[in-house]
Amino acid sequence: AQSVAQPEDQVNVAEGNPLTVKCTYSVSGNPYLFWYVQYPNRGLQFLLKYITGDNLVKGSYGFEAEFNKSQTSFHLKKPSALVSDSALYFCAGGGATNKLIFGTGTLLAVQP
Amino acid sequence: ETGVTQSPTHLIKTRGQQVTLRCSSQSGHNTVSWYQQALGQGPQFIFQYYREEENGRGNFPPRFSGLQFPNYSSELNVNALELDDSALYLCASSLVSQAGRGGYTFGSGTRLTVV
Repeated sequence: AQSVAQPEDQVNVAEGNPLTVKCTYSVSGNPYLFWYVQYPNRGLQFLLKYITGDNLVKGSYGFEAEFNKSQTSFHLKKPSALVSDSALYFCAGGGATNKLIFGTGTLLAVQP
Repeated sequence: ETGVTQSPTHLIKTRGQQVTLRCSSQSGHNTVSWYQQALGQGPQFIFQYYREEENGRGNFPPRFSGLQFPNYSSELNVNALELDDSALYLCASSLVSQAGRGGYTFGSGTRLTVV
């Protein structure tokens, strides 16, 4: 069965510091991996995706993610966190099926 | 280009009642998917509609049903509501060829509370 795991319920980081939000996956075949962000009472906003190609994927708002096949990970990163980055982040897997499988989400709290 | 719009934004229903949620897809998209996001959880795939027919279904009982209309808009119907149906219901539109590749545009959701 395909699954996506986010091992941290919450990540706390000081503004200006680098941030990492972790994601591991178990997806059959070639993995399609995504990061979405959700602000309170809002839908999901797409940040970035890995389909194929370079392992380092750059996305919106200065975020990037590194695909690591050997560790089956797809961690979200940003060199310098902003208070406005505080939100709920979801990792998701897709592929040949027509649906996305989401992790349970990680709440990112950036302190001023 | 318009995004995905959902209505209503909030809804309170009594256990045992029926509810209909609506979604207008993004212009140019031909597929609509519905997800249920319970509190503290990630979105769970309910089903997808393409060409007015169900095109894949997640692990949800038959009392969850849907429709897609010729203009690609969609409805999610839930019968015999249970307390556990309380959740944020998200609609996402895409081109059918891009659904698994993450080519979704999500709406802001309908917050359903069952009391």
